[in-house]
Amino acid sequence: DVKVTQSSRYLVKRTGEKVFLECVQDMDHENMFWYRQDPGLGLRLIYFSYDVKMKEKGDIPEGYSVSREKKERFSLILESASTNQTSMYLCASSSPGVSGNTIYFGEGSWLTVV
Amino acid sequence: GQNIDQPTEMTATEGAIVQINCTYQTSGFNGLFWYQQHAGEAPTFLSYNVLDGLEEKGRFSSFLSRSKGYSYLLLKELQMKDSASYLCAALQGGGSYIPTFGRGTSLIVHP
Repeated sequence: DVKVTQSSRYLVKRTGEKVFLECVQDMDHENMFWYRQDPGLGLRLIYFSYDVKMKEKGDIPEGYSVSREKKERFSLILESASTNQTSMYLCASSSPGVSGNTIYFGEGSWLTVV
Repeated sequence: GQNIDQPTEMTATEGAIVQINCTYQTSGFNGLFWYQQHAGEAPTFLSYNVLDGLEEKGRFSSFLSRSKGYSYLLLKELQMKDSASYLCAALQGGGSYIPTFGRGTSLIVHP
C-alpha cells in the first residue's frame, strides 16, 4: 500500500512565524503535491513537483514555497504565516502509469495561525 | 480551463441506493477519479474511469460517458459509515497528471 506521511497533524503558529510542513512517501513516486482544503472551496493546488529539485506553481502559490531535495520528501514552507493561511493542508503523490496517475493523499495537517 | 460540477449535498436513507453526478469540461481528457473523504480525514481513492461504461467494485460503481462529459458514482445498500464527502476529479489530456477536483458532494445517510 502507498503510504504518504505528513509529519504534523495539528499545529498552532503565530502570525509572522515561519512554518514547515513535511511530507514523505514510500512508493518511489515521481510526482508530489501540496493542496489546501477550505470549506466551500474544495481542494486547491498550491505547488507540485515532478522530480527532485523541480517545482511548479499550482493555482494558489502566493505566500508559500516548497522544497524537494530528495525524491521521497516534499516540504511546504510558509515564510511568514498569516491568519488567512489557517487551513487543512494535504500532501499527495502519484506516479505515471500507476492506475492512471492516481493521487494518494497523506492524513492532512491542520494549521491554525493566530 | 477546466470546470467540474457536482451537487453540494445529498441525503439518503440507510439501505437505499444513491447516485452522485459529476459533469466536467476539460481541455482534453485523460480519466476521471472518485474519492471519499470523511470529516477531518484525507480523501481516499475509490475509482478511476478512462473508458465509457460502468465499473463495479462491491457496493460502489462508477460510470463514465466521455461524449457527454458526465460521470456518476452509485452507492448501493447504503450504510451509516457512507456519510462522507465524495470528490470528483478529472485529468486533463496531453499527458497531464494533475487532476482538477470538484468541490465535493456531502452525503448524509439517515437511519
